[in-house]
Amino acid sequence: DAGVTQSPTHLIKTRGQQVTLRCSPKSGHDTVSWYQQALGQGPQFIFQYYEEEERQRGNFPDRFSGHQFPNYSSELNVNALLLGDSALYLCASSLSREYQETQYFGPGTRLLVL
Amino acid sequence: GEDVEQSLFLSVREGDSSVINCTYTDSSSTYLYWYKQEPGAGLQLLTYIFSNMDMKQDQRLTVLLNKKDKHLSLRIADTQTGDSAIYFCAEITDLSGNTGKLIFGQGTTLQVKP
Repeated sequence: DAGVTQSPTHLIKTRGQQVTLRCSPKSGHDTVSWYQQALGQGPQFIFQYYEEEERQRGNFPDRFSGHQFPNYSSELNVNALLLGDSALYLCASSLSREYQETQYFGPGTRLLVL
Repeated sequence: GEDVEQSLFLSVREGDSSVINCTYTDSSSTYLYWYKQEPGAGLQLLTYIFSNMDMKQDQRLTVLLNKKDKHLSLRIADTQTGDSAIYFCAEITDLSGNTGKLIFGQGTTLQVKP
């Protein structure tokens, strides 16, 4: 049973550039959430996708956008990168039919903005 | 409001019990979770408890919930060096809207000395 996978594992970008991160959910899951984890902090919720639509959004600017595909995989896009966007980006998947919607996390993509 | 707080650091000897504490503010929390993060890795789900429960035991792990005081604890029995990691407490609030947004604490670093 494949768990949550993310690509790439590491990424280095410069300020002003754009980046796309990818996530494949755990087999059988239909919901994908994205979190940003700055160094030494707990993860912060960015947004969640279900049925190819953004279901809820955290306190992140519009530079952060996403997409969910029919196969439930998802992308996180960040435009006009800032130094402060350097973080570990975590994807989590869950099953909407499960009441508590337990979220399982991938290994993350570590983004460094120079 | 939504806020989860944890102590930042705990050091124990191998074989001792570890107790990691967490407080939360949102009284509508439905499920509370414990995740483990090893260096450079994603989050591993350890256990969760529903808000109408007082205690949950799973092998070496015991979760205690005091809903009146909004206090959650994770006890690890017979702590091993492999338990050294950062432990995150997280809450998920009212799921009637199926939001599935996890709110994390800042994490407790557990150091296990041989």
